[in-house]
Order: sequence, then C-alpha cells, then structure tokens
Amino acid sequence: GAGVSQSPRYKVTKRGQDVALRCDPISGHVSLYWYRQALGQGPEFLTYFNYEAQQDKSGLPNDRFSAERPEGSISTLTIQRTEQRDSAMYRCASSSPVGTSGSDTQYFGPGTRLTVL
Amino acid sequence: AQSVTQLDSHVSVSEGTPVLLRCNYSSSYSPSLFWYVQHPNKGLQLLLKYTSAATLVKGINGFEAEFKKSETSFHLTKPSAHMSDAAEYFCVVSAQGDYKLSFGAGTTVTVRA
Repeated sequence: GAGVSQSPRYKVTKRGQDVALRCDPISGHVSLYWYRQALGQGPEFLTYFNYEAQQDKSGLPNDRFSAERPEGSISTLTIQRTEQRDSAMYRCASSSPVGTSGSDTQYFGPGTRLTVL
Repeated sequence: AQSVTQLDSHVSVSEGTPVLLRCNYSSSYSPSLFWYVQHPNKGLQLLLKYTSAATLVKGINGFEAEFKKSETSFHLTKPSAHMSDAAEYFCVVSAQGDYKLSFGAGTTVTVRA
C-alpha cells in the first residue's frame, strides 16, 4: 500500500519567489498535518486539516505561509515571497480521524527539502 | 504544554552491543509518547508508542521503551545493535487525544562494525 507522498522532494528557489509543496496522504486518512524541520532540530507543527477543513493553523509562522486541502485529500502548503530563513525540510503526515482508534499514529512522508538562495 | 529533551545528540555503538537513547518529557496532561526513526532519504517511521497501557512497550526491529512516570522518562533500548540501526531517532510527546506532536531534537546513532 502507498504511504504518504510529497513532491517535489527537493526545491531550490530564489528569495522572493513563491513555492508550493504538495502532500498526498494515505488513502482514507482524513486527518492531515504539516510540520517544518530546521537543520539539527525536530519537526515543529504548522497546521492540521480534518477533511478539507483547516482546524488548526496556529503553527504557521506568519501570513506568508498558507495551506489548503480543497477536496479533503491532496494538500498544498504555499510560501509566498520566500526568505532564506524559510529553508528547511517540510514534512506532511496523515492519520485516521482524530478521536478514532489509531488516530494517535501519524504516518509521515519523505519530506520536501526547501532551499532559498 | 508538552516538550521532550533528548539527552544525547549523538550515540555511537559497536555492532552487537546494546543501544540506549535517553528521553525525558514534560507534560501538563497524561502523555502519549512515541519514538520515530528516520533513515536517510526516508520518511519518519514509527518505532513504538505508549498510550497509558503497559509501561514497557515493544516496537519494531527489536526496540523497546519503558515509561517511568516518577522519572518522566521514556528511554529507548535495544539489546544488540545492527548496522541497519544507524539513523536519527526522535522522541515525541503529545497530550493523550491531542494531534499536536512535540518532537525532541533527535539523536543520531552510528554503528561501528
């Protein structure tokens, strides 16, 4: 069975450009999460979706960051006017619906390594 | 609020010897605790989890961890290291029923032949 997939795996962009990172969760997983991992640190929570609804965006660092999941499956994390400090690994995870059996286990994708020059 | 401290940023062991990765947690509520492993160019893989059942938790690949509330610890062990155990390991905490995971900074394990 397919796991969580993310694309692109690597993205190099110039400062000021917009980037869009894609996440395709495990089939049937209605809960989807985005995390950011700086070099030498553990992942930090960015945002959470239940189906297409963005339930929590408290971890998004500023208004240049946004995420959507319009049909409740694939999600896109968009960073506008990128800055060098945005360089990091961006990870997506999915799980069974929060509150159901097994929902405490998040399954992670391989991540997108973003480098802003 | 929840947080974890991984006490070692790097651990080096010889193949066939025991592995110990130390983790202390802080949680305002009854915690759920996890260990994830990350191999190069792979996603984070769940090794094991504690969610208020047995305090000794067995995971995949021969790893186990013991939840010690009095010590607020959740150390990961394996009796005999294998070369394939070389990876980065993350200790993770959340409040039970909460989706927001808090990761430690990670411990990189190298295994010497």
